[in-house]
Amino acid sequence: AQKITQTQPGMFVQEKEAVTLDCTYDTSDQSYGLFWYKQPSSGEMIFLIYQGSYDEQNATEGRYSLNFQKARKSANLVISASQLGDSAMYFCAMREGPYNNNDMRFGAGTRLTVKP
Amino acid sequence: AAGVIQSPRHLIKEKRETATLKCYPIPRHDTVYWYQQGPGQDPQFLISFYEKMQSDKGSIPDRFSAQQFSDYHSELNMSSLELGDSALYFCASRINRARNEKLFFGSGTQLSVL
Repeated sequence: AQKITQTQPGMFVQEKEAVTLDCTYDTSDQSYGLFWYKQPSSGEMIFLIYQGSYDEQNATEGRYSLNFQKARKSANLVISASQLGDSAMYFCAMREGPYNNNDMRFGAGTRLTVKP
Repeated sequence: AAGVIQSPRHLIKEKRETATLKCYPIPRHDTVYWYQQGPGQDPQFLISFYEKMQSDKGSIPDRFSAQQFSDYHSELNMSSLELGDSALYFCASRINRARNEKLFFGSGTQLSVL
């Protein structure tokens, strides 16, 4: 069964506007971590933001914020003031369980295109 | 700051050949992960190592093997290569007990099987 679901294969946003990329997850573990990574066309995988399941506040990193709704099992990424350089693939990922060496599973990704 | 180093950056092989991908984690990182990302696909977890021991196994074919050495670098060995093995192979590392959950990725090895 798919653990991470990203329902938006592609998204468009106007430069300087905000955009929300959806991510829902499925786990029975109480302890887990949620991640967002950006993959530009160059192929590298760039860490954006992390949210732990026990973190009470939503994570923020500059223009990135994570809208964490635990009861709904959603971890949407909000990018404010979009820039042309934000055009890329965005992956939501989850690490389950209390052990730090557990692997991380990725969603299918959302391709974001920022229009000038 | 030092990052995760993967070599080679690009690799071209023919069917049924073997390939070895190398990964040098960030210094002091004790946990290494391998991921395979096919064209237009999300990264698929292959295998991970913690303190030189295999810690978790994902969708790694039996034709592939991997290990982590005493200096914490890791190698992914791929035999009897198939066309479907063409993909971007990522290595990632972290400190196992670090509060920061961030996984640092290398730039990947692009493997093309002809």
